[in-house]
Amino acid sequence: EVVLTQFPGTMSLSPGERASLSCRASQTVMFSYLAWYQQKLGQAPRLLISGASTRATDIPDRFSGSGSGTDFTLTISRLEPEDFAVYYCQQYGSSPITFGQGTRLEI
Amino acid sequence: EVQLVESGGGLVQPGGSLRLSCAASGFTFVSYAMGWVRQAPGKGLEWVSTITGSGGNTFYADSVKGRFTISRDNSKDTVSLQISSLRAEDTAIYFCAKDFLRGRCSFFDNWGQGILVTVSS
Repeated sequence: EVVLTQFPGTMSLSPGERASLSCRASQTVMFSYLAWYQQKLGQAPRLLISGASTRATDIPDRFSGSGSGTDFTLTISRLEPEDFAVYYCQQYGSSPITFGQGTRLEI
Repeated sequence: EVQLVESGGGLVQPGGSLRLSCAASGFTFVSYAMGWVRQAPGKGLEWVSTITGSGGNTFYADSVKGRFTISRDNSKDTVSLQISSLRAEDTAIYFCAKDFLRGRCSFFDNWGQGILVTVSS
């Protein structure tokens, strides 16, 4: 199975700063079938990005995704207070679908 | 508006069984695969199972294969997960999620709020 490793495990930043979260796959993610989710404490995950770079409905344009092959990045251009949460990547190019272990973005 | 509402969770003894259900609304249910994803306390997300829109194909994580069974009733817009031979490590919040596609596993564009399953004696 494709193992996804996210780094850093925890990122400490301030509102207004830029965040770059990484997701590295143990093998090529087919067709760049990689998604990103945001999860706030006590809530369900929310889809942010699919296909490595396509923003989901109603996702602000400060969120962007990039990458291909084995290396992918979620960038938040200017952090808002509501962006502090845990972020997960997920690949769906190979079976079984797998998630990364998450990156916690904290103030 | 898409809504997914889980039910059926609770406390169960090791070796026991439980049936989780998810009632869907706000979209054409038969047109999308549906899945279950779980999250152990303080841990990350783990995909559990997916069923295609027609119900003709099912997929399972190795950790639950042979113990969990996913099914759907397209006449009632519900998806269920029968969980059996439960172990302590199955303790988690179980999320019902709508897949983006109909015929295969992909990503999940809508999620329920989750239901807690606790396996303990």
